[in-house]
Amino acid sequence: GDSVTQMEGPVTLSEEAFLTINCTYTATGYPSLFWYVQYPGEGLQLLLKATKADDKGSNKGFEATYRKETTSFHLEKGSVQVSDSAVYFCALTYEGYNFNKFYFGSGTKLNVKP
Amino acid sequence: EAQVTQNPRYLITVTGKKLTVTCSQNMNHEYMSWYRQDPGLGLRQIYYSMNVEVTDKGDVPEGYKVSRKEKRNFPLILESPSPNQTSLYFCASRPIEGQPLSPLHFGNGTRLTVT
Repeated sequence: GDSVTQMEGPVTLSEEAFLTINCTYTATGYPSLFWYVQYPGEGLQLLLKATKADDKGSNKGFEATYRKETTSFHLEKGSVQVSDSAVYFCALTYEGYNFNKFYFGSGTKLNVKP
Repeated sequence: EAQVTQNPRYLITVTGKKLTVTCSQNMNHEYMSWYRQDPGLGLRQIYYSMNVEVTDKGDVPEGYKVSRKEKRNFPLILESPSPNQTSLYFCASRPIEGQPLSPLHFGNGTRLTVT
């Protein structure tokens, strides 16, 4: 079946450090991949997405590349800020008949210290 | 402002006392869904709805009911809550018609505690 696996958290970094949050997936078809972010006390918000292999999604300095050969969609940012402290979720879904299902990873909490 | 609104934000109740968590969206989305979020488990889908009067089970539907009588509303009903339903609940919606792969829009969550 389909699933998403994320690295365990929490991840603690100093401001301006480089961030990588690993995400790998198992898919029965050709999914689209997403990163969502959840700030304290809020719902999830879309951060970025990629719809096919080798696509790169980017937003607010974050990037992730859809790697079909390694079934990965790792999230990166070159220089994190305190305001990036949040929980990050990797997710996949499909276009077409199975679009009603979103598969989420377990979330990775990021703490950024000044 | 386009949004998904859940109420209440916090709810403490006792075992067996029926409760309803409301969800409303103002974006005319066809698809709506309920998730629960538990530590280490991420988000798990409870129920979803493709449109008015069309609902189906997600991965963890036991102990929950839903209804979709109007397009904008999708309430979550717990007929006899139990402590294992203590969790953080999210409602989400997305358009279907003409917008493939559109992202989910989430409410701010309802933290439910069942004692």
